[in-house]
Amino acid sequence: NAGVTQTPKFRILKIGQSMTLQCAQDMNHNYMYWYRQDPGMGLKLIYYSVGAGITDKGEVPNGYNVSRSTTEDFPLRLELAAPSQTSVYFCASSPGTLYSPLHFGNGTRLTVT
Amino acid sequence: QKEVEQNSGPLSVPEGAIASLNCTYSDRGSQSFFWYRQYSGKSPELIMSIYSNGDKEDGRFTAQLNKASQYVSLLIRDSQPSDSATYLCAVTGGFKTIFGAGTRLFVKA
Repeated sequence: NAGVTQTPKFRILKIGQSMTLQCAQDMNHNYMYWYRQDPGMGLKLIYYSVGAGITDKGEVPNGYNVSRSTTEDFPLRLELAAPSQTSVYFCASSPGTLYSPLHFGNGTRLTVT
Repeated sequence: QKEVEQNSGPLSVPEGAIASLNCTYSDRGSQSFFWYRQYSGKSPELIMSIYSNGDKEDGRFTAQLNKASQYVSLLIRDSQPSDSATYLCAVTGGFKTIFGAGTRLFVKA
């Protein structure tokens, strides 16, 4: 009954470091998404994927990269971390059928100092 | 750029009152509309979905959709202190789901 699993839960990075946020789902969902949420704000779409090997940019893709080699996993890579990337990151998935809602992970809180 | 607009609030209502939350969207091709509730420090959870014009009721919640006006709303009847949260409007068109900034609701006991 895992659903969408994100790791780590918390991370502190120094400016210029890189890291990968992990996301895995066990619901056999085709669609997966990465969002960021800044304090007091809504969710902004970073990247999304409609299936293994297919990814596309969302609203705020700069500074991030993704890959989707399997249906289950959708990691988000931060290269050269900047303070502006301090945020809470949510991974989500959906079956991709019309009218499907998103299933969210518990989030990763990232601080870049 | 497709946009979803919400009044950020905060919206404060007394316990037992009706809370009314509103959302407008820019993409006329949008197909699915959702309301998520988010407690502080938690991930969003789905509370209502609506796909066709009109009203949809589920317990104390009613979602309303008017595609001609590009307008979605959420009514919460008999508001409870446990309803205090941020309510996110989400709109899906094609492959993407876009969120509004959220409306903070406070229900005073």
